[in-house]
Amino acid sequence: EVVLTQSPATLSLSPGERATLSCRASQSVSTYLAWYQQKPGQSPRLLIYDTSNRATGIPARFSASGSGTDFTLTISSLEPEDFAVYYCQQRNDWPLFTFGPGTKLDLK
Amino acid sequence: EVQLVQSGGAVVQPGGSLRLSCTGSGFPFDDYAMHWVRQAPGKRLEWVCLISWDGRRAWYTDSVKGRFTISRDNSDASLYLQMNSLRTEDTAFYYCIKDLRKSNTGYLDFWGQGTLVTVSS
Repeated sequence: EVVLTQSPATLSLSPGERATLSCRASQSVSTYLAWYQQKPGQSPRLLIYDTSNRATGIPARFSASGSGTDFTLTISSLEPEDFAVYYCQQRNDWPLFTFGPGTKLDLK
Repeated sequence: EVQLVQSGGAVVQPGGSLRLSCTGSGFPFDDYAMHWVRQAPGKRLEWVCLISWDGRRAWYTDSVKGRFTISRDNSDASLYLQMNSLRTEDTAFYYCIKDLRKSNTGYLDFWGQGTLVTVSS
């Protein structure tokens, strides 16, 4: 099973700042990695798939990169609605899809 | 507008059974693979199972194999999860999810609202 770890566990920032979230895989997942956003009381939402492709309707301030075992999600300038928990997920180890533990992005 | 409306969550005793349902609208239901994912309180998301667009193939995480069955009725745009021999560790919010594509990408494009299953005596 591919184990995903995320850092930091919590990131405290202010609106307008840049956020950088990391996801590391225990073995290579090629570029088969996604990112999801979950706000309190809501279901997760797909942000990014295949490492760097934004899902439909996702603003351009969300970007992502990486390959193999190290991946990054960047939010260029935080909006108030971006404060949430972010999960990474791999689909390379078919069909044993796994998720990271999440990074909580909260308001400083 | 894409919608996935879930029902069926409940409190059930260990060893019991439960069936979750999910109805899709706003998209061609029979064009997409569908998943169930769960999230136990305070734990990370856990993928549970996947069914192909035509219902002919299904895949499960090891911990539910032989106990859970995913199925679909494309004529009704419905997805089901039959859960038998429930254990306390199955307690979680269960989400019905549309795959990004027809071809079982493994990316979870749109999520239902979730339904809580509590296994407790």
